[in-house]
Amino acid sequence: EAGVTQFPSHSVIEKGQTVTLRCDPISGHDNLYWYRRVMGKEIKFLLHFVKESKQDESGMPNNRFLAERTGGTYSTLKVQPAELEDSGVYFCASSRLDIGNTIYFGEGSWLTVV
Amino acid sequence: DAKTTQPPSMDCAEGRAANLPCNHSTISGNEYVYWYRQIHSQGPQYIIHGLKNNETNEMASLIITEDRKSSTLILPHATLRDTAVYYCIASLFPNDYKLSFGAGTTVTVRA
Repeated sequence: EAGVTQFPSHSVIEKGQTVTLRCDPISGHDNLYWYRRVMGKEIKFLLHFVKESKQDESGMPNNRFLAERTGGTYSTLKVQPAELEDSGVYFCASSRLDIGNTIYFGEGSWLTVV
Repeated sequence: DAKTTQPPSMDCAEGRAANLPCNHSTISGNEYVYWYRQIHSQGPQYIIHGLKNNETNEMASLIITEDRKSSTLILPHATLRDTAVYYCIASLFPNDYKLSFGAGTTVTVRA
């Protein structure tokens, strides 16, 4: 069974540019999450999808961040325009809807804004 | 979610058991104790979770005190590949889908 896959694994962009991160959850996982760790900080929750619906986006830092999950399969996280403080690693995770299931994380997308 | 407290770092000898403590004195009755780890540059990896009873799986054992105010993760035979940051998380998951990662414990397994 394939795990959570994220693309790109690394990206370097200039301040003011746009970056789109993609996440493919484990097949059959209706829950999809985005987390991130910015430099020197702890891993923080960003948002949670159930299928294509946003259930909780309380962790999204500001309106420069837009997450979508059209069709309830893969998800994208767009940062527009990127700022220096957005640098860090963005983790996607997924889990089944059944109660008691655990969250499986991807390897992360490393973003460097220069 | 209840706050958890872990030592910032600890060393362990290869082949020996590693005992990782975690305090969660304000944990509520329906919060689970989860353990994740992050090996350098990889995504967090689920290890084990429990509510009241001790749990064991192929990776580790989780011992939760009777009052549930603390727990210990046991890696029975630590290997160099177990070197990682270990996170103890008190969570209402799956009733609350957020996991609150703290600073964790950096575990270094030495040959």
